Amino acid sequence: DAKTTQPTSMDCAEGRAANLPCNHSTISGNEYVYWYRQIHSQGPQYIIHGLKNNETNEMASLIITEDRKSSTLILPHATLRDTAVYYCIVRPYLFGNEKLTFGTGTRLTIIP
Amino acid sequence: EAQVTQNPRYLITVTGKKLTVTCSQNMNHEYMSWYRQDPGLGLRQIYYSMNVEVTDKGDVPEGYKVSRKEKRNFPLILESPSPNQTSLYFCASSRRGNYGYTFGSGTRLTVV
Repeated sequence: DAKTTQPTSMDCAEGRAANLPCNHSTISGNEYVYWYRQIHSQGPQYIIHGLKNNETNEMASLIITEDRKSSTLILPHATLRDTAVYYCIVRPYLFGNEKLTFGTGTRLTIIP
Repeated sequence: EAQVTQNPRYLITVTGKKLTVTCSQNMNHEYMSWYRQDPGLGLRQIYYSMNVEVTDKGDVPEGYKVSRKEKRNFPLILESPSPNQTSLYFCASSRRGNYGYTFGSGTRLTVV
């Protein structure tokens, strides 16, 4: 069973904020939320991760709901280069196993 | 440059002919993992390793073998490739703890 669910596809206008949702209703207390993206058939690229607090880095912001059952990745000013498939996964904290399920992600298209 | 290197990038082979896809990382990472990617199925984990001589099955291990004799290398072995193993393969590595994975550029394998 998938640990996360994401919309299949989304569009966003260039220059606007892209908000990508992810549902992880069965997340356990020792699991982090990680986001990656994949441009064309390149290797996926790590974006950001968080446990329960909101996080921000130079690429994006991550908002996790208080109950931790869902999260939103925010690309504040989307550019054409942000067109990619975005994956949300859950990953055990520190000493858990590394069996990870990526799923099919959300295909984000930035519209000029 | 910190990277995960996979070889070869492209490979066409015949059914039943044993092959090895190599993966090497220069970041002294403890964790390494193999994925395959097929249209409509997303990224699926084949095997992962949390340290030297420690490997475990992912979601789709059938038909594959791995070994982790040294920290930097994690080869993927197909003892008797079949056409249903035609796919795009990615190797990835990560530091132990809460760090993102770094992915290789991929190996496109075709089994005829």
